[in-house]
Amino acid sequence: SAVISQKPSRDICQRGTSLTIQCQVDSQVTMMFWYRQQPGQSLTLIATANQGSEATYESGFVIDKFPISRPNLTFSTLTVSNMSPEDSSIYLCSVATRRDTEAFFGQGTRLTVV
Amino acid sequence: GENVEQHPSTLSVQEGDSAVIKCTYSDSASNYFPWYKQELGKRPQLIIDIRSNVGEKKDQRIAVTLNKTAKHFSLHITETQPEDSAVYFCAASGGNTGFQKLVFGTGTRLLVSP
Repeated sequence: SAVISQKPSRDICQRGTSLTIQCQVDSQVTMMFWYRQQPGQSLTLIATANQGSEATYESGFVIDKFPISRPNLTFSTLTVSNMSPEDSSIYLCSVATRRDTEAFFGQGTRLTVV
Repeated sequence: GENVEQHPSTLSVQEGDSAVIKCTYSDSASNYFPWYKQELGKRPQLIIDIRSNVGEKKDQRIAVTLNKTAKHFSLHITETQPEDSAVYFCAASGGNTGFQKLVFGTGTRLLVSP
């Protein structure tokens, strides 16, 4: 299993500002992912955080809006840039240690943009 | 890419009844199908998963069935209890979507009444 610490757990931010969310794992993991869960909705993959290279973004998500860092195998950050109220969501990091095994989630960051 | 549909969106049952949630997927190369339970304000937690080389899997009151030919899989909860009330998400991964990149269904809100 993997224990994930994600912070902050929640924040209220002004539009136009940026927020960086941190995800720390208690063991080295191959794959780290960032998801967005809009209120009352399902989880949508934003990007795969690749160690040592640029993140791989899903359709509809771009690096300028959601820059991601992954400096090592236990840590990643997601920045939500130039925020607008439409960015109000829960952001979750997720890790997987091996193919076809359980994906673990952080507790999420509840972001409200005012 | 992969697309996962989930039905019903809401399901209300009486305590002790059975509940069935169904999902279909589009990518025939997908090979891993987990089910997650998300309680209000909490992170998604894996409750059961199935791989494409297996047709059925059980864990106490929970079972999952997979029909690869029809590309659908289902979650069965027997003897439901009020603590089963939550949102349930199916997901698919593997194949053309890549390693452990989960594509989630839209979710089913299960309400178990005492």
